[in-house]
Amino acid sequence: AAGVIQSPRHLIKEKRETATLKCYPISRHDTVYWYQQGPGQDPQFLISFYEKMQSDKGSIPDRFSAQQFSDYHSELNMSSLELGDSALYFCASSLGDNSYEQYFGPGTRLTVT
Amino acid sequence: KNQVEQSPQSLIILEGKNCTLQCNYTVSPFSNLRWYKQDTGRGPVSLTIMTFSENTKSNGRYTATLDADTKQSSLHITASQLSDSASYICVVSAGNNRKLIWGLGTSLAVNP
Repeated sequence: AAGVIQSPRHLIKEKRETATLKCYPISRHDTVYWYQQGPGQDPQFLISFYEKMQSDKGSIPDRFSAQQFSDYHSELNMSSLELGDSALYFCASSLGDNSYEQYFGPGTRLTVT
Repeated sequence: KNQVEQSPQSLIILEGKNCTLQCNYTVSPFSNLRWYKQDTGRGPVSLTIMTFSENTKSNGRYTATLDADTKQSSLHITASQLSDSASYICVVSAGNNRKLIWGLGTSLAVNP
């Protein structure tokens, strides 16, 4: 079975530009989680969605927004990019909100120059 | 403070050998403990997940143990393969599976 798909896998942007990251969960999974992992750091929880509604919010900057669509895929929109936004962005999916059976995607490597 | 500590920080073993990785945690309330394998620049892949009532769980050549009294867990890898070279991360959920407490990982290198 296909796992969590993230696109693009690599993205290079300049300061103050915008970026959109996409996440396609495992088939029938209704919950999506976004994490940000800086160099040498733990993944930090950003935000999660269950059945197209925001279910929890972590350390997501105000410059970022996200949503989950009717097909359960999710998009993370990032504006006014800063150098510190350079990180690996993971998406995870699960069946049911707050499930411990989370499956992580391969990540999107965002580099802000 | 919720914390997960792993040891050793790095480990080098020969192909075919066994190894054991350690994880100590101070997380409350405890919900579950997971071991992930993460290749550089890739997403974590779940190896095992254990709740409070489970004290051992296997996944192929990976066997995890959990002692909820001493708040310790171990991951035992049997008959290591070159493809086992990766970072192994212990992650504990403190009641909320979205906000996880991550260890720094053990970097394992399996040499031929």
